[in-house]
Amino acid sequence: AQKITQTQPGMFVQEKEAVTLDCTYDTSDPSYGLFWYKQPSSGEMIFLIYQGSYDQQNATEGRYSLNFQKARKSANLVISASQLGDSAMYFCAMREGDSGGGADGLTFGKGTHLIIQP
Amino acid sequence: DSGVTQTPKHLITATGQRVTLRCSPRSGDLSVYWYQQSLDQGLQFLIQYYNGEERAKGNILERFSAQQFPDLHSELNLSSLELGDSALYFCASSVGGGSFAEQYFGPGTRLTVT
Repeated sequence: AQKITQTQPGMFVQEKEAVTLDCTYDTSDPSYGLFWYKQPSSGEMIFLIYQGSYDQQNATEGRYSLNFQKARKSANLVISASQLGDSAMYFCAMREGDSGGGADGLTFGKGTHLIIQP
Repeated sequence: DSGVTQTPKHLITATGQRVTLRCSPRSGDLSVYWYQQSLDQGLQFLIQYYNGEERAKGNILERFSAQQFPDLHSELNLSSLELGDSALYFCASSVGGGSFAEQYFGPGTRLTVT
């Protein structure tokens, strides 16, 4: 079963509109971290935002915020006032805690291709 | 610029060959991770090193190996290359090795096996 599900393969959004990129996750570990990365066409992976499973408040970083709904196991990325430069692939990722012994790398979803239109 | 460097940027080689990819983590980061991104498999975690020791293994093939040196740079060795090994290989680094450590990615090495 997929641990990270991103249900939107592609999205077209008008410039200056807000965007919500969906991400649901699956884990039985009480301790985990959720991450969002941006991959522009140039290929590099850019870290955007992080949310820990025990964090009480939703994470925010500039125009990025994470809508964390723990009971629903969702961690949607919200981009406010979208810009043309936001056009890219966006990946949701999770890292489960160390309770199982040994730390693992990030598990990524398949990504959402976001295109901002002028 | 994340501060993580990877060389080479591009690599073209033939099936059956062996290549070495190099990564230097951000200053102060002790953990290095290797990931593979391909059209078929998406982004997959391969292996993690923390302060010179292997800490976690993901979907790394037996033909692949890695190590982290005392200066904390890391190398990923890929041998007996197959066409399916063509992919973008990322190195990432973080300060610690736990689940709350943000990982910063290098620019990647694009490997083409012909």
